[in-house]
Amino acid sequence: DAMVIQNPRYQVTQFGKPVTLSCSQTLNHNVMYWYQQKSSQAPKLLFHYYDKDFNNEADTPDNFQSRRPNTSFCFLDIRSPGLGDAAMYLCATSRRLDTQYFGPGTRLTVL
Amino acid sequence: AQKVTQAQTEISVVEKEDVTLDCVYETRDTTYYLFWYKQPPSGELVFLIRRNSFDEQNEISGRYSWNFQKSTSSFNFTITASQVVDSAVYFCALSEGDDKIIFGKGTRLHILP
Repeated sequence: DAMVIQNPRYQVTQFGKPVTLSCSQTLNHNVMYWYQQKSSQAPKLLFHYYDKDFNNEADTPDNFQSRRPNTSFCFLDIRSPGLGDAAMYLCATSRRLDTQYFGPGTRLTVL
Repeated sequence: AQKVTQAQTEISVVEKEDVTLDCVYETRDTTYYLFWYKQPPSGELVFLIRRNSFDEQNEISGRYSWNFQKSTSSFNFTITASQVVDSAVYFCALSEGDDKIIFGKGTRLHILP
């Protein structure tokens, strides 16, 4: 089945220790998104790629970076996680201007 | 200004009751898309429906139905004969013709056995 896969599902890191979250897709969609979702809140868009064209949201902290080495994979790098970065991180994909399909998410804990 | 308003923060109903989740949106675009997503306790956002602004026909899918009314800028979601498995957070969302979608704050639905 075509799908969006996120690894790991649960990630524990220490304060200030860099962490990388992974997203892959078999849908062959050209747009990929990273969202942050904190408890009892709506998902918040961090950035998205249209093919290799990177689009950063204005209020996304510099601490968050992303890489998309190819169509199938996209990574979220958190350079120095703080306690406030503990959240669910959701990856989504879509065709251009079409429905977004989400992965299962990675729950990040910062100790 | 909030573009997608889900006024009901939390709803509880007894199993087999019908329940309607409200969604009011705001946009100046004539072409736009409306969505509903379900987020069960596992955390994954599950796509339920996408509706474009030119199609005001109501949609029914099993126990789920959606009522789109441009005159009131609403896109309400009804679950008929609710089941415990329907317990989740439901998000209404709006896309204004670009790659981004704007989520409402969500409605947490509890179906009590």
